[in-house]
Amino acid sequence: GNSVTQMEGPVTLSEEAFLTINCTYTATGYPSLFWYVQYPGEGLQLLLKATKADDKGSNKGFEATYRKETTSFHLEKGSVQVSDSAVYFCALEETSGSRLTFGEGTQLTVNP
Amino acid sequence: NAGVTQTPKFRILKIGQSMTLQCAQDMNHNYMYWYRQDPGMGLKLIYYSVGAGITDKGEVPNGYNVSRSTTEDFPLRLELAAPSQTSVYFCASSRRTGIDEQFFGPGTRLTVL
Repeated sequence: GNSVTQMEGPVTLSEEAFLTINCTYTATGYPSLFWYVQYPGEGLQLLLKATKADDKGSNKGFEATYRKETTSFHLEKGSVQVSDSAVYFCALEETSGSRLTFGEGTQLTVNP
Repeated sequence: NAGVTQTPKFRILKIGQSMTLQCAQDMNHNYMYWYRQDPGMGLKLIYYSVGAGITDKGEVPNGYNVSRSTTEDFPLRLELAAPSQTSVYFCASSRRTGIDEQFFGPGTRLTVL
């Protein structure tokens, strides 16, 4: 079956530091890949996505590249802000399916 | 657009009680989902629906039931609440699967004592 593995958290960084959150996946087909973000007390919202190999998703300074050869979709940001503090979830969905498979989530705290 | 709305926001149940978590969306999405999120864990799919009148089980359906009589509404029923059902419940909807994002409601925090 499908699965998503994220790097363990929590992650604590200082403002303007570089961020990487690792995500690898196992899938039987050719999934779309997503990063969702959950701010405190809120539901999840889409941060970025990529639907095929070598696609790069980007939004709000975050980027992730769909790497089929390494089955990875690592999230990066060059300079984090306090407002980026949240839980980040990597997820996949088969194009022929109808459900998301989530990773465990990575808690990010950015200190001023 | 209100997006995806959920009620109630919080609820405390006693063991054995029943309740219905309400979910509605105003985006005319065919696909709707119920997830539970346990502390420090990712989201687990409970049930999903691909359209009015059609529902299917997800990873963790035991102890829950759903119905989908309209495109807009997708209520989740807990018949005999157990402490293991203490969790945060999220409803979501999407236009298409595999490509489009899912839109999530704000969640219902349920405690079973």
